[in-house]
Order: sequence, then structure tokens, then C-alpha cells
Amino acid sequence: DTAVSQTPKYLVTQMGNDKSIKCEQNLGHDTMYWYKQDSKKFLKIMFSYNNKELIINETVPNRFSPKSPDKAHLNLHINSLELGDSAVYFCASSQGLAERETQYFGPGTRLLVL
Amino acid sequence: AQSVTQLGSHVSVSEGALVLLRCNYSSSVPPYLFWYVQYPNQGLQLLLKYTSAATLVKGINGFEAEFKKSETSFHLTKPSAHMSDAAEYFCAVRGLTGGGNKLTFGTGTQLKVEL
Repeated sequence: DTAVSQTPKYLVTQMGNDKSIKCEQNLGHDTMYWYKQDSKKFLKIMFSYNNKELIINETVPNRFSPKSPDKAHLNLHINSLELGDSAVYFCASSQGLAERETQYFGPGTRLLVL
Repeated sequence: AQSVTQLGSHVSVSEGALVLLRCNYSSSVPPYLFWYVQYPNQGLQLLLKYTSAATLVKGINGFEAEFKKSETSFHLTKPSAHMSDAAEYFCAVRGLTGGGNKLTFGTGTQLKVEL
């Protein structure tokens, strides 16, 4: 009965590889997000989708490409991985775009680039 | 643009003591404010949120926060700390950005609870 799920939970890979992280929510929400948490635990939004439409793109390198096949899924594909991409990536969802809406977070994907 | 500042990256309290985690916000429009908790190796869980209704907001696990416009603060408190409260706490502010919905987080406060 997990609300927001992410796969994989851990991802260890070499520099230069391409990898994907998947996110699914079963809350019936219209809006989904990707956040990056760095080694100092600072959280920053990367992307936001509403009804499969890109709403926010926070100056993320174009090596990062989100894809939303439907409202319940938001995947993140990363090309040519770099050492600095090592972080924890969190997916989140909310009912809609209103400021009062609570964002529900997934458990995170811990990416380590060697 | 909105931002939040969390004073004190590490806070240590004794079990049973008062917990006070500080958060000050900056916003050009009335803010919506949130406190999230992150337990080790887990995702973020909402503790409570302020959405312009009551200024004293009660959340889960005995936490509460008071919105003080005059002080631009939204400090998180709990009367009596428990060992299970040890975690990272994040204050966040929400604002519309270019039609989107952007949650901006503070740098977090690590709460340590000692016997």
C-alpha cells in the first residue's frame, strides 16, 4: 500500500553510464516532482510535472531527462553520469499545484557514481 | 522569491526536555510553511503545515509550530523529547513560480536526543 514508490533503492554505477530511476504514486495525484538531496542533505527541486506536462525545470543539466508516461509515473533518466551526480533522489507527488497541497515523498534512490 | 533559514544545523536535547527547532522565512507573499522529518535512510514525512488558518499548528508525534508574522518565524516545538525523535528536520516554504509549485527547503536541523 506504498503511496510513492521508487526503484531502485540503491544504484551504484560507473562514470559515463546512462541510468534510469522510476517513480510511481498510487494516490491519484496530478502533480509529481523530482528532488535531489546532496551529501550535506540539502534538498532542491529538479523537475515538476502536472498532468504529464512539465511545469518546473530548475536549471538542471540536460543530461537529466524526466519522462511522465502517465499521471501516476514520473521517471528520471540520466545520461553520461558524473561523479557530482552522486546523491539521493526523491520523487514526490501532490494532489495539485495549489500552495497548500502537501507533497508526499518516496523513500529515495541512493545513487553513487564511481 | 521565498526562502527559509534554519538556525542550528545540530540540536542536542536530553530525553524529556523541550525540543525547539528554529525556522525563519522570507516571502513577498503570504507563505505556506511546512515541517518535514527525515529518519535515517528514509524519505521525508510531513509533520505539520501552516496554510493561513490557525497560527498554532499541531502535527503528528506531539509536535507543533507557531506562525509569527511579526517575527517571520515558524519554529517547531515538542514539550518532551523522545529517543525516537532523533532525525533530520526540514522547514520548507511554498510559493508559485512561473505557474508551477515550488517547495523550497531549509538546510535542515539534525536533532539528537540523549539519555
